[in-house]
Amino acid sequence: GDSVTQTEGLVTLTKGLPVMLNCTYQTTYSPFLFWYVQHLNEAPKLLLKSSTDNKRTEHQGFYATLHKSSSSFHLQKSSVQLSDSALYFCALSLYAQGLTFGLGTRVSVFP
Amino acid sequence: NAGVIQTPRHKVTGKGQEATLWCEPISGHSAVFWYRQTIVQGLEFLTYFRNQAPIDDSGMPKERFSAQMPNQSHSTLKIQSTQPQDSAVYLCASSFWGGNYAEQFFGPGTRLTVL
Repeated sequence: GDSVTQTEGLVTLTKGLPVMLNCTYQTTYSPFLFWYVQHLNEAPKLLLKSSTDNKRTEHQGFYATLHKSSSSFHLQKSSVQLSDSALYFCALSLYAQGLTFGLGTRVSVFP
Repeated sequence: NAGVIQTPRHKVTGKGQEATLWCEPISGHSAVFWYRQTIVQGLEFLTYFRNQAPIDDSGMPKERFSAQMPNQSHSTLKIQSTQPQDSAVYLCASSFWGGNYAEQFFGPGTRLTVL
């Protein structure tokens, strides 16, 4: 079946530093990839989405590029803020089906 | 826009009791999804409806779990004979039926605790 792998369970870093969260996936079809962010005690919210190979997508300072050759959709930000502390999920969908999520990466940003 | 509404926000049941969780999707959204979130398993897809019709329930446990969408304004997830392993946050999401890029908007979830 389809799957999404996020290798980091927890990332801790200092404000102002860059961050990259890894996401790789497995599917036999052409997927749509998403990044969702969940702040403490809140609902997950869509951060980024893409289905286009090798095209960078950006939102709120975060960016990611879908690479179908390596089945990856890593999330990056050049300078994290305290407000970026949250749980980040990578997910895939096949033609508007339910989302298949990775286990999530918790990001903790310190002053 | 009130967003996706889920009630109750917290529910505590005893082992063996029934739990019914409610979801009101965003007005105009034609797709409703249910997910379960635990620390160990993360976010797991359970089932979804499109225009009130059940489309995919591949993530639903075959026993004790059922979901319905009797009208376009609400969906329910029922768990019979709840067990401690059912303790989780149950999330409902809705979207336009706009094809592949249909962004799913999540509700705040219902935290179910089975004692």
